[in-house]
Amino acid sequence: GAVVSQHPSRVICKSGTSVKIECRSLDFQATTMFWYRQFPKKSLMLMATSNEGSKATYEQGVEKDKFLINHASLTLSTLTVTSAHPEDSSFYICSARGLVYEQYFGPGTRLTVT
Amino acid sequence: RKEVEQDPGPFNVPEGATVAFNCTYSNSASQSFFWYRQDCRKEPKLLMSVYSSGNEDGRFTAQLNRASQYISLLIRDSKLSDSATYLCVVNGDDYKLSFGAGTTVTVRA
Repeated sequence: GAVVSQHPSRVICKSGTSVKIECRSLDFQATTMFWYRQFPKKSLMLMATSNEGSKATYEQGVEKDKFLINHASLTLSTLTVTSAHPEDSSFYICSARGLVYEQYFGPGTRLTVT
Repeated sequence: RKEVEQDPGPFNVPEGATVAFNCTYSNSASQSFFWYRQDCRKEPKLLMSVYSSGNEDGRFTAQLNRASQYISLLIRDSKLSDSATYLCVVNGDDYKLSFGAGTTVTVRA
């Protein structure tokens, strides 16, 4: 399958600061990437669809001003959690769409906001 | 009603045993179906796609029943390394995927 990297793998930040997470497709060009968050023992929750060269599409209930997504190139999408609060602590995972519907996931970023 | 529902388990089986579990999906228009595997605190990894006629990949067999809207996964000759959470995944609209909460399988020596 395709290879997707994510950086950083783990971050601890103070409340009120912003955190940027990078997602890269390493061996193919991904016109569409997705951002998810996952709470312990829960299913992945789609936050937004990131399309190269256009604005991201956010799922209902996800604040676009809080979770800024940029997909400036075919291999890179970034998620910035602005003014982070403890309730934003979660496992954030990106994915890149394959040839049809399958998705390949990055290794995830564990965010802890203190 | 959730889009994808799975028995959370856990399924505790001895090495060498066969284990099988299902998931149901609500969107009758779904066309693509997958099983992903997720290890603790790791990202999901694609295990296999599920085709209409059913398909096998080594010790893993997946079946699709469109009429009843369920998908199954069977693992033969279980290995310790098969211990994981198995996610049932179904496509929705606009290339989005809907994930089940996962079925936990623990294979014991």
